[in-house]
Amino acid sequence: KNEVEQSPQNLTAQEGEFITINCSYSVGISALHWLQQHPGGGIVSLFMLSSGKKKHGRLIATINIQEKHSSLHITASHPRDSAVYICAVNSGGSNYKLTFGKGTLLTVNP
Amino acid sequence: NAGVTQTPKFQVLKTGQSMTLQCAQDMNHEYMSWYRQDPGMGLRLIHYSVGAGITDQGEVPNGYNVSRSTTEDFPLRLLSAAPSQTSVYFCASSSQGLAAYNEQFFGPGTRLTVL
Repeated sequence: KNEVEQSPQNLTAQEGEFITINCSYSVGISALHWLQQHPGGGIVSLFMLSSGKKKHGRLIATINIQEKHSSLHITASHPRDSAVYICAVNSGGSNYKLTFGKGTLLTVNP
Repeated sequence: NAGVTQTPKFQVLKTGQSMTLQCAQDMNHEYMSWYRQDPGMGLRLIHYSVGAGITDQGEVPNGYNVSRSTTEDFPLRLLSAAPSQTSVYFCASSSQGLAAYNEQFFGPGTRLTVL
């Protein structure tokens, strides 16, 4: 089974700050997902990547396959970015199953 | 498109009762899955399906049954509910069977309490 560790567990920032959330995993993967869970509970997919870097608006996701590490960056953070950010990878050799990290709770204060 | 829908939103059961959590998607997705989310833990895979008539176990399958008779529906059955099954349950789908390579679409969740 692939172990997924996220850091930090909790993060508080002021509006406008640059945010970085980290994800490390123990076994080589096919792809990594970043998801966002809103305070109301809904979960949406932000990125899926297997190499390099992806950007969508103020969000940037990077992955280093050799180091088994991914980062999610948020530029010019805003209170509406407050949510739990979750990293997921395929489970230990299976491309049919995903293993999820415990999530990082981000709070952005105005 | 409604996307992924789940019913009910909330449910309270007594120990030993049975029930079915419903999940439906209208995107013609091959892959559907059930997860449970507990405080302090990541989402954990219960069962998944890569197409009608095909299901397989995930990480925590005990106490749950599934079937997939149509592409659209993937119900999760609790045969004899236990307090340990108190959790929030999410259904998810993706266009193709290889979850690792495909964007996941999640339902709104069902909050289940077993007394």
